[in-house]
Amino acid sequence: GQQVMQIPQYQHVQEGEDFTTYCNSSTTLSNIQWYKQRPGGHPVFLIQLVKSGEVKKQKRLTFQFGEAKKNSSLHITATQTTDVGTYFCAGDPYNFNKFYFGSGTKLNVKP
Amino acid sequence: NAGVTQTPKFQVLKTGQSMTLQCAQDMNHNSMYWYRQDPGMGLRLIYYSASEGTTDKGEVPNGYNVSRLNKREFSLRLESAAPSQTSVYFCAARQADTQYFGPGTRLTVL
Repeated sequence: GQQVMQIPQYQHVQEGEDFTTYCNSSTTLSNIQWYKQRPGGHPVFLIQLVKSGEVKKQKRLTFQFGEAKKNSSLHITATQTTDVGTYFCAGDPYNFNKFYFGSGTKLNVKP
Repeated sequence: NAGVTQTPKFQVLKTGQSMTLQCAQDMNHNSMYWYRQDPGMGLRLIYYSASEGTTDKGEVPNGYNVSRLNKREFSLRLESAAPSQTSVYFCAARQADTQYFGPGTRLTVL
């Protein structure tokens, strides 16, 4: 079945260090989305990537979609304590608007 | 403008009991979704509705039924709850590329 794998499971960084989470799909994706979930909260939409090789930036966050549309990454530059939370990718393989979520990367930032 | 609301926030059931989780959105979005989230895992799609009057199965539909009562409301029913259905349930509404999630229902089945 469709699988979206995400690594690492956990990441502990010192404030100011960079952070990257990676997402890999077993099949080609129509598009991929990224979400952030704070502890005890609900997922909040960050961005959607559609095109092969696409790169999008939101302030300190950089999102990439691989050339083969099977992998994606989220990079945070100079982490802050407000970045704490779990980051999920969600892939849509068939463009049916059914999304398969990765298991998430839990980011902890030490001040 | 509340976005997506879910009731109840918490629920404890005994095995075999039934219940309905309610979800409503005030954003006039066409698509709505039900997900479950288990510890250490991402969200798994249970059912979704592309528009009023239509529903379709997701990854883990067994043990659940849904109703898209109107454009605003999308309910999830557990006919005979099982301990394996202990989870946090999230409803979402989507327009274009953005899914808006509700606050979740934390369900425990004993």
